[in-house]
Amino acid sequence: RKEVEQDPGPFNVPEGATVAFNCTYSNSASQSFFWYRQDCRKEPKLLMSVYSSGNEDGRFTAQLNRASQYISLLIRDSKLSDSATYLCVVNMGAGTASKLTFGTGTRLQVTL
Amino acid sequence: DGGITQSPKYLFRKEGQNVTLSCEQNLNHDAMYWYRQDPGQGLRLIYYSQIVNDFQKGDIAEGYSVSREKKESFPLTVTSAQKNPTAFYLCASSMDGGGYGYTFGSGTRLTVV
Repeated sequence: RKEVEQDPGPFNVPEGATVAFNCTYSNSASQSFFWYRQDCRKEPKLLMSVYSSGNEDGRFTAQLNRASQYISLLIRDSKLSDSATYLCVVNMGAGTASKLTFGTGTRLQVTL
Repeated sequence: DGGITQSPKYLFRKEGQNVTLSCEQNLNHDAMYWYRQDPGQGLRLIYYSQIVNDFQKGDIAEGYSVSREKKESFPLTVTSAQKNPTAFYLCASSMDGGGYGYTFGSGTRLTVV
């Protein structure tokens, strides 16, 4: 089983649609969680951190379910500019052993 | 503005040559990382360093070497022993090992010709 698993997609949705991505992780002791966005041939950029209580940033909502070991990202009112690959990222260590593990990403294509 | 600078943006290497990729940060971050990304694949960790003069192998360290003589700098050498070096290389840094995520440089695209 992969440490961080995502559906690669692509998810093709029309502008204005709501789309959700899920991600599962294997290590129940994981400490922190993130969603990154990566545009084609560019570096990943932090989209948002994911907290146990859930968090929202404009059209984006992230949720964490520790019991089931999954993370979700919901995008409402999709824009053409949301087209990108979304990486689920998990910090599986702590202290000096801390480092991030990246999923392979879910590709989103928003169309007119 | 603080950030991470990778150079060069594009690099072409002949087979059998060593090349060094530069990564410099002015964020005052303690930890730095090198990742490799192949087309359609995820990021794979090559080396990381939590503190100056110390570094650890990641998942795919064979054929690569690093140094961390200064806090700001973490150069990566791709040696001739690396069998398939053509890839997109990303450098990242963090202040605390990842609790607040990583900041990435814009990457170096290496092609072996």
